[in-house]
Amino acid sequence: EDQVTQSPEALRLQEGESSSLNCSYTVSGLRGLFWYRQDPGKGPEFLFTLYSAGEEKEKERLKATLTKKESFLHITAPKPEDSATYLCAVQGVFNKFYFGSGTKLNVKP
Amino acid sequence: EAQVTQNPRYLITVTGKKLTVTCSQNMNHEYMSWYRQDPGLGLRQIYYSMNVEVTDKGDVPEGYKVSRKEKRNFPLILESPSPNQTSLYFCASRGQGNEQFFGPGTRLTVL
Repeated sequence: EDQVTQSPEALRLQEGESSSLNCSYTVSGLRGLFWYRQDPGKGPEFLFTLYSAGEEKEKERLKATLTKKESFLHITAPKPEDSATYLCAVQGVFNKFYFGSGTKLNVKP
Repeated sequence: EAQVTQNPRYLITVTGKKLTVTCSQNMNHEYMSWYRQDPGLGLRQIYYSMNVEVTDKGDVPEGYKVSRKEKRNFPLILESPSPNQTSLYFCASRGQGNEQFFGPGTRLTVL
């Protein structure tokens, strides 16, 4: 069964305390893995696309990496404005998309 | 401004009363999709469309219909809504770059 699992469900960090979010997947015919950020009351906002194991993408304090079975979103020296829910999604065959249930990140000043 | 719009943003209705949620994008994207988001379940794909007149089922299509008569529009139709369709709905479109652009969401309550 095609499935995407994110952990932890929630993460509380102090400002400046680096950490990582995990996304593991069992999806046939991976066409791409995507990370999104979702703020309360808004639609998800695209962050990264990864296509193959070993690939890495960076944007400001965020860095996404991909292995054959999982992806990590590393957050370096986070700030309160990084507080949001981070969603992982995988594109399988037939252009279907599978989303994890997200990690809610809270960064305290 | 490139965007995906949805209407209405909030809707309260009663069981069995047909409704339509509209979705429109101004980016000339071929791929459009509908999702519902429920606590603990994440986003689940309802239907998607690869182009005009081409639609296909996602993971949770039961109780929903879609149509794609024009490239920019992809309405979601609930012929006979039931309380288990109470949810937050998102429309999205995708261009050649593969990233999806999401609308602001429609919060639907079915009493």
